[in-house]
Amino acid sequence: GQQVMQIPQYQHVQEGEDFTTYCNSSTTLSNIQWYKQRPGGHPVFLIQLVKSGEVKKQKRLTFQFGEAKKNSSLHITATQTTDVGTYFCAGHNNDMRFGAGTRLTVKP
Amino acid sequence: GAGVSQSPSNKVTEKGKDVELRCDPISGHTALYWYRQSLGQGLEFLIYFQGNSAPDKSGLPSDRFSAERTGGSVSTLTIQRTQQEDSAVYLCASSLQVTSSYNEQFFGPGTRLTVL
Repeated sequence: GQQVMQIPQYQHVQEGEDFTTYCNSSTTLSNIQWYKQRPGGHPVFLIQLVKSGEVKKQKRLTFQFGEAKKNSSLHITATQTTDVGTYFCAGHNNDMRFGAGTRLTVKP
Repeated sequence: GAGVSQSPSNKVTEKGKDVELRCDPISGHTALYWYRQSLGQGLEFLIYFQGNSAPDKSGLPSDRFSAERTGGSVSTLTIQRTQQEDSAVYLCASSLQVTSSYNEQFFGPGTRLTVL
């Protein structure tokens, strides 16, 4: 069945540094979604990517979908303490599968 | 309400007891998902429903776990003979449908299950 791998599992950065999390699927995806879960909260939708090679930006966040539609990345420029949380990718191909998430901590 | 609701929010039970968790999806959402999240861990997929049917039950950890959905709305996740390793937050999510091109999942607040 479809598997979605996400790395790294943890990332600790100094405030102002950049952060990237990567997601890889064992199968070609029809789309991929990204979610953020704040500590103590539940996952909240950030964005969906559909097209091969698609790039979308939300302020300091840049999302990319690979040409083969099997991988994706989320890049945060100049992290802030408000970026703290766990970022999950979710690949869609007939059903949805979440990656294990990357937990981001930011040191002020 | 406008969002996904789950009940109870917290459940403490003794090992060996059965528990039932409830999820009320957003009205009109035909797809419903159950996940399990242990402390500090990722989302473990359990089962999803498209309407009342559950095409994929592969994520259920054992035969002690079962889920049903009636009327295409409310879903219940039942854990029989609970074990301590069942302790986790059980999250429910709903989306318009599984197979649509846009199927953002809206998560409920979760049920925190503690098995003593």
